Amino acid sequence: SYVLVQPPSVSVAPGKTASITCGTTDFGGESVHWYQQRPGQAPVQVIFDTSDRPSGVPERFSGSKSGNTATLTISRVEAGDEADYYCQVWDGVIDHWFFGGGTKLTVL
Amino acid sequence: QVQLVESGGRVVQPGTSLRLSCTASGFTFALSPMHWVRQAPGKGLQWVAFISYDEKKNSCADSVRGRFTISRDNSKNTLYLQMSSLSVEDTAVYYCARDRAGGSFENWGQGTLVTFSS
Repeated sequence: SYVLVQPPSVSVAPGKTASITCGTTDFGGESVHWYQQRPGQAPVQVIFDTSDRPSGVPERFSGSKSGNTATLTISRVEAGDEADYYCQVWDGVIDHWFFGGGTKLTVL
Repeated sequence: QVQLVESGGRVVQPGTSLRLSCTASGFTFALSPMHWVRQAPGKGLQWVAFISYDEKKNSCADSVRGRFTISRDNSKNTLYLQMSSLSVEDTAVYYCARDRAGGSFENWGQGTLVTFSS
């Protein structure tokens, strides 16, 4: 079982870099995945397997993990990046999937 | 392109049952594990249920176990979620999602809303 903790909100100026963290007590070697959800829309995967980008996702989106914290980094932030972002982990032992509480990214 | 279209959401009364459907196209549905994920109004995402491509394996969240059942009809490219003993806590947009190997959600539908009459 996983409890994934994300900051409720992050603000960044256009053109700057946004970092959204996802923390837990122990990832246990599991990969972390990230989703973008714009207002009124369905989620879209932006990072899978901690650092891989699905086709069509801009290279400005990157993911990493160090110890008990995973990070989604968005470089050269644009107004269109304003959205909620969720991290997610799969517990393969019990076949349950867990989401973080989400982070609202505001572009100033 | 991949399309997932949910249907069946409506206004319901507490204690009743409802079946949601998700029709898939643009990929080989019969070989794809699938999920249901929900989102209460103004809240975050919550995984609900999983089913393997051949229905031999499934799992569900503790909050719905014993009340919700996931199933599929590969001949119709359709995923289902049978919900019973519904309560106001089940109010949410329900999304179907295609599994990506490695434990994530590769594609999502637009969702269908289940809500309760006051």
